[in-house]
Amino acid sequence: AQKVTQAQTEISVVEKEDVTLDCVYETRDTTYYLFWYKQPPSGELVFLIRRNSFDEQNEISGRYSWNFQKSTSSFNFTITASQVVDSAVYFCALSEEAPQGGSEKLVFGKGTKLTVNP
Amino acid sequence: KAGVTQTPRYLIKTRGQQVTLSCSPISGHRSVSWYQQTPGQGLQFLFEYFSETQRNKGNFPGRFSGRQFSNSRSEMNVSTLELGDSALYLCASSPGLAGEGETQYFGPGTRLLVL
Repeated sequence: AQKVTQAQTEISVVEKEDVTLDCVYETRDTTYYLFWYKQPPSGELVFLIRRNSFDEQNEISGRYSWNFQKSTSSFNFTITASQVVDSAVYFCALSEEAPQGGSEKLVFGKGTKLTVNP
Repeated sequence: KAGVTQTPRYLIKTRGQQVTLSCSPISGHRSVSWYQQTPGQGLQFLFEYFSETQRNKGNFPGRFSGRQFSNSRSEMNVSTLELGDSALYLCASSPGLAGEGETQYFGPGTRLLVL
């Protein structure tokens, strides 16, 4: 069965510190997709990144970077030079290829609450 | 392009009542998924609709149902409400193309409180 584990429940940092959010996943499929979403206090889940299982290339987008390692089933997320506006709950999610096409369900981790203090 | 919209944003009901939540997907998106978020269980998949048909279903009782209209708008209904149904209900849309793990874009959610 699919499973996503975010072992860090809460992280608190001071502004400008770098912070890494861990995500470990389990799946029996060879084709799958990994996602990161951000949930600010308003409640809406904001999409950050999507990776498929065949693309292990790490990605950098501004202050955000992602490290995908199939060997350890991990898809970690790093925020460089954190800012107060980064405070939110961050979710890692997994979906498998749907035989009938389309999105297939997302299986979410429990989330990591990040607080960035000024 | 407008994002996913959900109505109402907040709702208070009493046990035993029923409720209907509405979701309008991003224009051109044909797949709509629903999720329940609670502090204890986290984010859980309810069901997905595509072309007016339920395509995927999570592990929720039959009190939870949904439908999708020809314009891709979707409604979710919960009958005989229980206290444990208090949650944030999130709707997400995606294009619905075949063979891809598509990105789902979420709406702001409906906060349901059952008293």
